[in-house]
Amino acid sequence: GAGVSQSPSNKVTEKGKDVELRCDPISGHTALYWYRQSLGQGLEFLIYFQGNSAPDKSGLPSDRFSAERTGGSVSTLTIQRTQQEDSAVYLCASSQRQTGYGEKLFFGSGTQLSVL
Amino acid sequence: GDSVTQMEGPVTLSEEAFLTINCTYTATGYPSLFWYVQYPGEGLQLLLKATKADDKGSNKGFEATYRKETTSFHLEKGSVQVSDSAVYFCALYRDKLSFGAGTTVTVRA
Repeated sequence: GAGVSQSPSNKVTEKGKDVELRCDPISGHTALYWYRQSLGQGLEFLIYFQGNSAPDKSGLPSDRFSAERTGGSVSTLTIQRTQQEDSAVYLCASSQRQTGYGEKLFFGSGTQLSVL
Repeated sequence: GDSVTQMEGPVTLSEEAFLTINCTYTATGYPSLFWYVQYPGEGLQLLLKATKADDKGSNKGFEATYRKETTSFHLEKGSVQVSDSAVYFCALYRDKLSFGAGTTVTVRA
């Protein structure tokens, strides 16, 4: 596909369940980000993958959150024992890194997570 | 750490009015600066960027100038349209992209 693809687009789950969110970045993009957007809130950085480097996990809010990126392409964000405050839109973005310059990010449409 | 502070909204104004959204940053070195926009029902997309001091980014009638002396990157448009109604995010890139909280702009006909 031409853009960043995220699945599912909507996920409703019960409190305490685990969820997995998937992101397929644009082919060839080495950088991949996960952000969280809560109602009325800005974009909260979660985690950043760049090539084969160790990911920047500084934005993960708790140890219930984890993410991996297999083969430098597809990424999965996992939330264990979901809580109601985890309800938000989870956005994935990718970019083709340009050394020395800023990056233009291409965003997916997001996964709307609702924890009941 | 690096951070971006943007003017709180929401902002409501009439068509053809002048729009300014303030953005200031805190970072070491020389980050690149961006404005992203999210139109209703759509995903985020890049509006404009500037990669060094005194650079001016421009797109769709919007402009922002990278001011190192004031660590600012204010977004301006001289005459807004209803179609400019959106959420605007200021962002900074050094070793990763960090966003401000976003400013909701509503333009009335």
